[in-house]
Amino acid sequence: SQKIEQNSEALNIQEGKTATLTCNYTNYSPAYLQWYRQDPGRGPVFLLLIRENEKEKRKERLKVTFDTTLKQSLFHITASQPADSATYLCALAPKGGGADGLTFGKGTHLIIQP
Amino acid sequence: DTAVSQTPKYLVTQMGNDKSIKCEQNLGHDTMYWYKQDSKKFLKIMFSYNNKELIINETVPNRFSPKSPDKAHLNLHINSLELGDSAVYFCASSPPTNTGELFFGEGSRLTVL
Repeated sequence: SQKIEQNSEALNIQEGKTATLTCNYTNYSPAYLQWYRQDPGRGPVFLLLIRENEKEKRKERLKVTFDTTLKQSLFHITASQPADSATYLCALAPKGGGADGLTFGKGTHLIIQP
Repeated sequence: DTAVSQTPKYLVTQMGNDKSIKCEQNLGHDTMYWYKQDSKKFLKIMFSYNNKELIINETVPNRFSPKSPDKAHLNLHINSLELGDSAVYFCASSPPTNTGELFFGEGSRLTVL
């Protein structure tokens, strides 16, 4: 069965360092992968999308990589700030599926310590 | 202006009751969704509606029924509530692209006692 794995433990990073979050998947051939941020008591907010034929995507301090051979995406936040503390979810979409087929990981809770 | 808004934000009720959660989006999107996030934080799709037609129903009990009076609204009705229905329910919408980024509401926390 399809499975998406994200670090289930909280990730503690010192302010100013680069935070790297991992999203691994099995039994899946996604057309693209998305990353969302979720704050406590709030809905997820879309951050970045990367397609299967893209290796890397950047947006300000965010960088996402996508390795379809390793079946893994890495999400980097450079020069991390306490305001970056949140839960980050990855989501995969099957080929041709659009949003209807999005499958979410459980998320990684990131804590940036001042 | 809130893009996707849902009410109520909190809902506490007894087992066996019937309740509804309302959702409205002002983004002009054609597709709306209901997701359930349980205590383990898994976010799972329940329904999606495209132009008032149900196009996904992920083995959700028939006690749950989505109702869409127009493409800006998708309400969730739940009959005969059970303890296991306690969760946070998120409404979302998506634009008509094939990349499917979702715009979520703030969530409605349902507690069944």
